[in-house]
Amino acid sequence: GENVEQHPSTLSVQEGDSAVIKCTYSDSASNYFPWYKQELGKGPQLIIDIRSNVGEKKDQRIAVTLNKTAKHFSLHITETQPEDSAVYFCAARKGDDKIIFGKGTRLHILP
Amino acid sequence: ETGVTQTPRHLVMGMTNKKSLKCEQHLGHNAMYWYKQSAKKPLELMFVYNFKEQTENNSVPSRFSPECPNSSHLFLHLHTLQPEDSALYLCASSPYEWAVPDTQYFGPGTRLTVL
Repeated sequence: GENVEQHPSTLSVQEGDSAVIKCTYSDSASNYFPWYKQELGKGPQLIIDIRSNVGEKKDQRIAVTLNKTAKHFSLHITETQPEDSAVYFCAARKGDDKIIFGKGTRLHILP
Repeated sequence: ETGVTQTPRHLVMGMTNKKSLKCEQHLGHNAMYWYKQSAKKPLELMFVYNFKEQTENNSVPSRFSPECPNSSHLFLHLHTLQPEDSALYLCASSPYEWAVPDTQYFGPGTRLTVL
């Protein structure tokens, strides 16, 4: 079955700098890759997603890139702000199979 | 406000107790999910209900018993739990099972501690 690895587990960046979180997946047939943000005391919330027929997607300060050949995808957050501090989860899915999550990255934005 | 509520938010129980977790969604969705979230582990899918029918049981021990009386409500009945069952239990809903894009809306979770 699908396996999703996520790195790093913890990331600290200075406010205003960029943050990058990387994930790899094992099943080359996976074709949908969502990213979730989980703030303290809340459940995860979808922030951006990408399908396998697209190499990059952007939404304001957040972007996701996908390299199907290497089977990895990344989340990029530019001009980080204090409210970006949270745990971020990547996930992968094949067709209408269940979604498989990474272990999460705790992002700290330093003042 | 995500439209998915969970009660209680915190629960402490002994191994011999019986308790229930409740989830309610106000989004008109037809699929509901239970997940277990433990520290430093990926979110673990437990159960899926689609139009009130259970469609997935991800090899969950029988001490966890789900119930979905209608598309808006989901329960997780707990009995004779073990300390390793302590975790955050998340409920989610979506328009239908495994909808694409993945429009699962998560509740805030119930933090369960088993003594």
